[in-house]
Amino acid sequence: GQNIDQPTEMTATEGAIVQINCTYQTSGFNGLFWYQQHAGEAPTFLSYNVLDGLEEKGRFSSFLSRSKGYSYLLLKELQMKDSASYLCAVMDSNYQLIWGAGTKLIIKP
Amino acid sequence: DADVTQTPRNRITKTGKRIMLECSQTKGHDRMYWYRQDPGLGLRLIYYSFDVKDINKGEISDGYSVSRQAQAKFSLSLESAIPNQTALYFCATSDGRVDTGELFFGEGSRLTVL
Repeated sequence: GQNIDQPTEMTATEGAIVQINCTYQTSGFNGLFWYQQHAGEAPTFLSYNVLDGLEEKGRFSSFLSRSKGYSYLLLKELQMKDSASYLCAVMDSNYQLIWGAGTKLIIKP
Repeated sequence: DADVTQTPRNRITKTGKRIMLECSQTKGHDRMYWYRQDPGLGLRLIYYSFDVKDINKGEISDGYSVSRQAQAKFSLSLESAIPNQTALYFCATSDGRVDTGELFFGEGSRLTVL
């Protein structure tokens, strides 16, 4: 079966750095996505990785290792507004998105 | 105004009732999707449509039906609602580009079936 694993919840301090991991086992691979979802709101797109390596976008970076079935989202200089759930999703060989359950990130002052 | 609009935003209904959730978009995208989100679970695909004449079942289509009335409109129906269909429902659109695959979500419709 297809599976996306990410931690259920993480806590970090304002101004610090946090890394949210995602491991996957899917039928084929056509890219990995990270979305941010604030409580009660819709998910919004953060990043897309299809090749191995690090993609940086401002305070957020996303890393992919296809051989290890592994990705992480790195958030720097954490702000209170970064408190949200972070969803990892993989596009499989049929170009369908398989979603993880999300990681709830709590930022403390 | 939101690019992807869902109505109603909240609905409480009783077991056995017919419910329709509507979605309209102004992004001009051909592809539209209905997902449900439950606590502790990932988003699960109910139905998707790549154009007006194309409807496809997703992972959890049982108990649901859809209608693609126009490029901009995609509605989800629960013919006879049951309590385990209580969830947050999202409509989403995409332009079908494989290189990004970005989905644009509506604000969500929270459905409670008593």
